[in-house]
Amino acid sequence: AQSVTQPDIHITVSEGASLELRCNYSYGATPYLFWYVQSPGQGLQLLLKYFSGDTLVQGIKGFEAEFKRSQSSFNLRKPSVHWSDAAEYFCAVGANFGNEKLTFGTGTRLTIIP
Amino acid sequence: DTEVTQTPKHLVMGMTNKKSLKCEQHMGHRAMYWYKQKAKKPPELMFVYSYEKLSINESVPSRFSPECPNSSLLNLHLHALQPEDSALYLCASSQGWGGEVETQYFGPGTRLLVL
Repeated sequence: AQSVTQPDIHITVSEGASLELRCNYSYGATPYLFWYVQSPGQGLQLLLKYFSGDTLVQGIKGFEAEFKRSQSSFNLRKPSVHWSDAAEYFCAVGANFGNEKLTFGTGTRLTIIP
Repeated sequence: DTEVTQTPKHLVMGMTNKKSLKCEQHMGHRAMYWYKQKAKKPPELMFVYSYEKLSINESVPSRFSPECPNSSLLNLHLHALQPEDSALYLCASSQGWGGEVETQYFGPGTRLLVL
C-alpha cells in the first residue's frame, strides 16, 4: 500500500522569503501525486498534481513542485511567500488499485511572519 | 467551473437527532466522496460512490448512511451520532472514469458538532 510522509509539522517563514515543504512517498510503481492547501475551517483546494511527464509541475498561486523518483519526493516550493499563503498543506498520493483512493500525509502548517 | 457545494455550512445536533448533509456538483463528475476530518488531522475517506453506486465503504459505523440520488447529488444521513463524531465533513468529486487515479475537487465542508 502507498504511504506519504510530511516530515515538518509546522514551518514559519517570513513574508517574501522562499518556501519549501517536504513530501516523501512510498509506492512501488509510478505514483500519482497531489498538493492541496486548506485554510482554517475550509475545504481543500488543489494546488498542483503530477501524473506523468515533466517532473517540474507548475500550480496555482505561484507554487511549483518537483517529482524526484530517486528520492521518492515531491516537494512543494514557492520563491516568495505572501501572508495569504498561511494555511495547512497536504501532500497526497494515489495508486491504481482499480479505485480512486488517495492517501494523505499528516499535513504541514505554514505560518507567515511579517 | 470546479465547484463542489455543501450545505449546511455548520450543524449542531443532539445524539438523538436525525440530520442530513448535502453535497452537489455540476461538473458532470461520476465519482463522489465523503471524508471526515478531525482538527489538525488529514481527511479520512468514508465512502466513495461511482456512477451512483456505493463502491467503497471504509468500515464506517451504520449511524452514517450515504445516499446518491443522482449523479450530481450526494447526501450523508446522520442518526444517533456520538460526540466523537464532531468533525469537518468534506465532500469531493472526480470524473469517475474508473480504474485510474483522478483529481478530486473538494467542497468547503460542513462543520458538525454533536452535543
